[in-house]
Amino acid sequence: GEQVEQRPPHLSVREGDSAVITCTYTDPNSYYFFWYKQEPGASLQLLMKVFSSTEINEGQGFTVLLNKKDKRLSLNLTAAHPGDSAAYFCAVSANTGNYKYVFGAGTRLKVIA
Amino acid sequence: GGIITQTPKFLIGQEGQKLTLKCQQNFNHDTMYWYRQDSGKGLRLIYYSITENDLQKGDLSEGYDASREKKSSFSLTVTSAQKNEMAVFLCASSHLGVSYEQYFGPGTRLTVL
Repeated sequence: GEQVEQRPPHLSVREGDSAVITCTYTDPNSYYFFWYKQEPGASLQLLMKVFSSTEINEGQGFTVLLNKKDKRLSLNLTAAHPGDSAAYFCAVSANTGNYKYVFGAGTRLKVIA
Repeated sequence: GGIITQTPKFLIGQEGQKLTLKCQQNFNHDTMYWYRQDSGKGLRLIYYSITENDLQKGDLSEGYDASREKKSSFSLTVTSAQKNEMAVFLCASSHLGVSYEQYFGPGTRLTVL
């Protein structure tokens, strides 16, 4: 079945620097990709969803890149600020009919002022 | 818009006790999920229900039962609480289909004495 590896598990950057989180997946049938943010003590909030037909998506203060050839999904936080300190999770789903996501193990990001 | 409610917010039980966690959503979503999140870790799928009369085991179903009472509610039972399963239990829901994002509830924190 699908396996998702998320790197790095922990990341510390200074305010204003960029932070890059990467997920690699194994199932070539994977078609839908999601990034979630979990602030300390809170639940998961959707940051962005990406379909395999798109490669670059921009949000508020971040960019999501999808490289289908390398089966790699990345989240790039540009000019990180302390409010970005949180855990970030990628999730992948495929058109296999089982309606399950496979989550990455998460990246704990700390932005130092 | 909508909301997912999980009760209780904190659940304290004795080792060996049977404990029930409840989840309600008013999104009118077809699919509901139960995940377990250990401290500082990712999400592991316990049970999910694709539609109102469906129940599917996830990767971590041993030691748990689930029940989809109606479209809007999904319960999880810890059949015999163990100290090593102290964690946060997250309920999520989505529209039917792998392209849809999951919305998460605030979680129930389980402590086993």
